[in-house]
Amino acid sequence: GNSVTQMEGPVTLSEEAFLTINCTYTATGYPSLFWYVQYPGEGLQLLLKATKADDKGSNKGFEATYRKETTSFHLEKGSVQVSDSAVYFCALVDAYSGAGSYQLTFGKGTKLSVIP
Amino acid sequence: EPEVTQTPSHQVTQMGQEVILRCVPISNHLYFYWYRQILGQKVEFLVSFYNNEISEKSEIFDDQFSVERPDGSNFTLKIRSTKLEDSAMYFCASSEGGGTEAFFGQGTRLTVV
Repeated sequence: GNSVTQMEGPVTLSEEAFLTINCTYTATGYPSLFWYVQYPGEGLQLLLKATKADDKGSNKGFEATYRKETTSFHLEKGSVQVSDSAVYFCALVDAYSGAGSYQLTFGKGTKLSVIP
Repeated sequence: EPEVTQTPSHQVTQMGQEVILRCVPISNHLYFYWYRQILGQKVEFLVSFYNNEISEKSEIFDDQFSVERPDGSNFTLKIRSTKLEDSAMYFCASSEGGGTEAFFGQGTRLTVV
């Protein structure tokens, strides 16, 4: 079956530090990959996505590149802000495998805290 | 910007009672989903709905759960006889196509006492 593995949190960084949150996946087909963010007290928001190998998703200074050879989709940001404090979820949907499924498979989430 | 809306934001219910969680998906979306997140744990898929029928469901989605699209805008999740372990945040989501990005609502926090 499909699965997503994220680095364990929590992660605490100082403002303007570099962020990497690792994400690797297993999938039976050729998945689309997503990062969702959950700010305190709020729902899930799509942060960025990539649908094929070597695609780079980007939004709000965050980036992630779909690496098929390493089955990875690591999230990076060059300079984090206090407002980036949230829980980040890596996810995949494997719609185009032999048993195509439209459900999202999520990682466990990584809590990021950015301190001034 | 179009968004998925869920009501109520918080529901407290007694064990054994029925609850209905409500969602209004984005209007031109065709696929609808329910997910849940038990406190501190991962987000889990419950069910997907397309063309007025369930297209997929997980092992969690047993006979106590049901979904319905009673009219052209609402999408509901019913839990017939709630258990303590049903306490979780329930998220509704919708997507334009199968496998495209899903947009999530703010969630309903269900507390079963």
